[in-house]
Amino acid sequence: SQQGEEDPQALSIQEGENATMNCSYKTSINNLQWYRQNSGRGLVHLILIRSNEREKHSGRLRVTLDTSKKSSSLLITASRAADTASYFCATEGSGNTPLVFGKGTRLSVIA
Amino acid sequence: EAQVTQNPRYLITVTGKKLTVTCSQNMNHEYMSWYRQDPGLGLRQIYYSMNVEVTDKGDVPEGYKVSRKEKRNFPLILESPSPNQTSLYFCASSLEGVGSGANVLTFGAGSRLTVL
Repeated sequence: SQQGEEDPQALSIQEGENATMNCSYKTSINNLQWYRQNSGRGLVHLILIRSNEREKHSGRLRVTLDTSKKSSSLLITASRAADTASYFCATEGSGNTPLVFGKGTRLSVIA
Repeated sequence: EAQVTQNPRYLITVTGKKLTVTCSQNMNHEYMSWYRQDPGLGLRQIYYSMNVEVTDKGDVPEGYKVSRKEKRNFPLILESPSPNQTSLYFCASSLEGVGSGANVLTFGAGSRLTVL
């Protein structure tokens, strides 16, 4: 399976600090996406980075992709209590394969 | 408002009693999918559909059925539910599906199912 694996499983930081989450995957991909899930709710798409891109920004989010290492990172700068959620990476394989999700990183931002 | 709507949101049932979880999207999306989410296991895909009358198995299809008779609806059917199907279920849709390179999903709010 090309399932992504997030690291760490859980992360606790103070408000205002930066949060970094990592995702590793096994096979070649078309793109990698990050989603956010507030407790027990549906996932919300945050950002998509294509295999030929190395870095992408969206507001306080910065995503990097290293296809040689088969890894990605999500950086949330100047975190807020409202950023408390689980974050999932999802990979779309280079064949006709459905999006596959990792197990997520649980982020707690303490005010 | 563009959305994916699932019903019911919460359900407690007993082993063997057939149930259907409905999913409807109002975005004219081609692709629809069902996931289940369990602690420690992340999201696992049950079934997906690329278009009307086209469905495919995901990673964990056993014990589930789906149908796609209309573009907007993609119900999940549990013919004979068992306790190991107790889970949080999500329906999702996207404008472009598998292989498009832009399979960005919109999720429903989830359906929490308990099978006793």
